[in-house]
Amino acid sequence: DGGITQSPKYLFRKEGQNVTLSCEQNLNHDAMYWYRQDPGQGLRLIYYSQIVNDFQKGDIAEGYSVSREKKESFPLTVTSAQKNPTAFYLCASRILPGASYGYTFGSGTRLTVV
Amino acid sequence: DQQVKQNSPSLSVQEGRISILNCDYTNSMFDYFLWYKKYPAEGPTFLISISSIKDKNEDGRFTVFLNKSAKHLSLHIVPSQPGDSAVYFCAASDRGSRLTFGEGTQLTVNP
Repeated sequence: DGGITQSPKYLFRKEGQNVTLSCEQNLNHDAMYWYRQDPGQGLRLIYYSQIVNDFQKGDIAEGYSVSREKKESFPLTVTSAQKNPTAFYLCASRILPGASYGYTFGSGTRLTVV
Repeated sequence: DQQVKQNSPSLSVQEGRISILNCDYTNSMFDYFLWYKKYPAEGPTFLISISSIKDKNEDGRFTVFLNKSAKHLSLHIVPSQPGDSAVYFCAASDRGSRLTFGEGTQLTVNP
């Protein structure tokens, strides 16, 4: 079955630690995206990539980093510079150009700073 | 600058009645609009979409209406069912660019 896999589902981080969230897709989609969901703020774009070895900052990129070494993979690192990292993180992908412009989402990772 | 806004954080309706979820946008370059449904601790799933060249799109119990002059779209669910209880996100795209999402509306359908 094709889809997007995010792991882990739950992640706990100590203050000052970097953590990496995994996102893998087997849909052969070109573009991949990372969003953050906070209550009352909807989905905010962190980073996105439309092609391997290239990525762009979204609206809230500070304190995050990404890489796109393979088409299938787009890991997100939450660094110690991110002041409020506790949130639900969603990865998405889509074909380019997309007739429907819609995304396929993963099931998310809940990150909690302890 | 919130280009897509869902002004109602929550909506509660009785089973069998109509649910109407609203969305406003400010960017006149948006040409494609989508609705996503999200259950807790899961990723959003695509529900229905509409191109700016249309004013209505229907799929079963779900209908999306677009009023370009008012920069407003709405999602109608008829009849509403308890399983429809979820957060609904409105999203918009400018000529195939990345999606911009609204804040979401929590719909609760009471049996």
